[in-house]
Amino acid sequence: GAGVSQSPSNKVTEKGKDVELRCDPISGHTALYWYRQRLGQGLEFLIYFQGNSAPDKSGLPSDRFSAERTGESVSTLTIQRTQQEDSAVYLCASSQAPSYEQYFGPGTRLTVT
Amino acid sequence: AQRVTQPEKLLSVFKGAPVELKCNYSYSGSPELFWYVQYSRQRLQLLLRHISRESIKGFTADLNKGETSFHLKKPFAQEEDSAMYYCALSGLGNNDMRFGAGTRLTVKP
Repeated sequence: GAGVSQSPSNKVTEKGKDVELRCDPISGHTALYWYRQRLGQGLEFLIYFQGNSAPDKSGLPSDRFSAERTGESVSTLTIQRTQQEDSAVYLCASSQAPSYEQYFGPGTRLTVT
Repeated sequence: AQRVTQPEKLLSVFKGAPVELKCNYSYSGSPELFWYVQYSRQRLQLLLRHISRESIKGFTADLNKGETSFHLKKPFAQEEDSAMYYCALSGLGNNDMRFGAGTRLTVKP
């Protein structure tokens, strides 16, 4: 079946603009994660959704970052008033349940100029 | 709080040599440990998890609760093992996964 998809694959935006990144998880996966991967660095946890529970937002770096998920389907990560330090690859992953294997999308490469 | 430490950012070995990628963790509860791998131009994917106790592509990892480590080992490295390796920790029944900073392994011919 189809894996996790993300769009756009690349996004170049000007400093101060808002961007929206999309993630389509694998059908039936209740858990969805967003991570940030800065150049040369590891994965940084941002936010986690599990079913209809309140999301774990503990990794969001500032209030400019927010994310939503509609039920157990699509999720969008929104970054408002982008800054140059937001430039990174944003990865989405989904899994059948917490602590199960995570399946990753290809990522969205965000460049803030 | 969960924390995963991969002390080596870069690791280079020759083909046929043994390789060990280090991972240490801190977690007060029962941990579940994973190794993920990202080959060039491919997605991040699961390599192995400690619960499975299996060997994947010749790699093994043993959870050592006394030393809070989950090092990844392979007795004879191959060039195709060159990739970025991430150690990850999830608490049993916990919601989130914490990844280490990653180790880039290069296997030279």
